[in-house]
Amino acid sequence: NAGVTQTPKFRVLKTGQSMTLLCAQDMNHEYMYWYRQDPGMGLRLIHYSVGEGTTAKGEVPDGYNVSRLKKQNFLLGLESAAPSQTSVYFCASNQGGYYNEQFFGPGTRLTVL
Amino acid sequence: RKEVEQDPGPFNVPEGATVAFNCTYSNSASQSFFWYRQDCRKEPKLLMSVYSSGNEDGRFTAQLNRASQYISLLIRDSKLSDSATYLCVVNTPSGNLFFGTGTRLTVIP
Repeated sequence: NAGVTQTPKFRVLKTGQSMTLLCAQDMNHEYMYWYRQDPGMGLRLIHYSVGEGTTAKGEVPDGYNVSRLKKQNFLLGLESAAPSQTSVYFCASNQGGYYNEQFFGPGTRLTVL
Repeated sequence: RKEVEQDPGPFNVPEGATVAFNCTYSNSASQSFFWYRQDCRKEPKLLMSVYSSGNEDGRFTAQLNRASQYISLLIRDSKLSDSATYLCVVNTPSGNLFFGTGTRLTVIP
């Protein structure tokens, strides 16, 4: 089992460029999440999905879009990158429910110049 | 007010020491509580869940005080390998997790 994987691991963008971050999980989890982690801010939820074909906004959704066309994949898109989106992005998945552990991917380090 | 607040540290302790981290949460209806561990430039991983009656896993003890909305983590006999950032995590009625900013621990030889 690979668990949760993310691509790419690193990326540098110029302001205004677009990109898509891919998250894949092989644990058959229903729920998937995208977080960003910034110094002094902790992890903050961007968007999440409770099943294939569904998405919902988290705490900081502005400037991002997501899609969950297949159960195992969750894509995070930046249509027009801004320097404020420089961050480390983590994808996570679990079976849902209040007591279930979230499993995280290794992260994507994004710098927007 | 932040959903979850914790002392960022850093805590620098010698090997063998006992160290305690505290965390407070703002939503009294929060359902479940966790401590995650995050190593430098790595993803967070679950360390332990926190149960109402308190729970222990080897050298680690977690406590929950719902009345005070307070969670703690105690590490006994610290090892060099315990050096990491410890994240307090709360699951609110919305079903989403809220993460504290983390407490950084360095265990010194």
